[in-house]
Amino acid sequence: AQKITQTQPGMFVQEKEAVTLDCTYDTSDPSYGLFWYKQPSSGEMIFLIYQGSYDQQNATEGRYSLNFQKARKSANLVISASQLGDSAMYFCAMREGAGGTSYGKLTFGQGTILTVHP
Amino acid sequence: DTEVTQTPKHLVMGMTNKKSLKCEQHMGHRAMYWYKQKAKKPPELMFVYSYEKLSINESVPSRFSPECPNSSLLNLHLHALQPEDSALYLCASSQETSGGPNEQFFGPGTRLTVL
Repeated sequence: AQKITQTQPGMFVQEKEAVTLDCTYDTSDPSYGLFWYKQPSSGEMIFLIYQGSYDQQNATEGRYSLNFQKARKSANLVISASQLGDSAMYFCAMREGAGGTSYGKLTFGQGTILTVHP
Repeated sequence: DTEVTQTPKHLVMGMTNKKSLKCEQHMGHRAMYWYKQKAKKPPELMFVYSYEKLSINESVPSRFSPECPNSSLLNLHLHALQPEDSALYLCASSQETSGGPNEQFFGPGTRLTVL
């Protein structure tokens, strides 16, 4: 069974509008972390935002916010005021186990290609 | 310095060649990783080094040989590769602090082509 599921192979958004990229996860570990990464066509993976399983509030980083619904096991990324430079592949990833013991093993989803139109 | 560097950016090699990929970070991170990524696919973990010791080998063929000479450097030695090994090879590093997010910082990658 897939541990991280991203159901949207591709998404389109108009510049300056908001967009939500979906991510659902599956784990029985009570301690886990959820990450979103952006990968432009140049190849580098850029860390965007993190949500810990015990965090009470949704994470926010500038124009990025994470809509964390623990009971539904979803961790959707919301990008507000889209820019042309946001066009890229976006990966949701999960790390199970408490920090320092799980050696940082990340499980990635299949990714969503976001295209921002002018 | 919040950067992970990788050299070379591009590499073309024959199936009988021996080459090495290099990765360096100066963030004081204690964990370093090698990933392999095919086009339009997620990265696949190959190796994890924690405190300069190999902690995870994801059943990678022996033609890939990792090495961690010190806490800042990570190498991937390549020998007798196959054309299907052509991919983007990404290096990453992270802090390993208990309770922290320990997000991984990635380098720009090496695009490897095996002829």
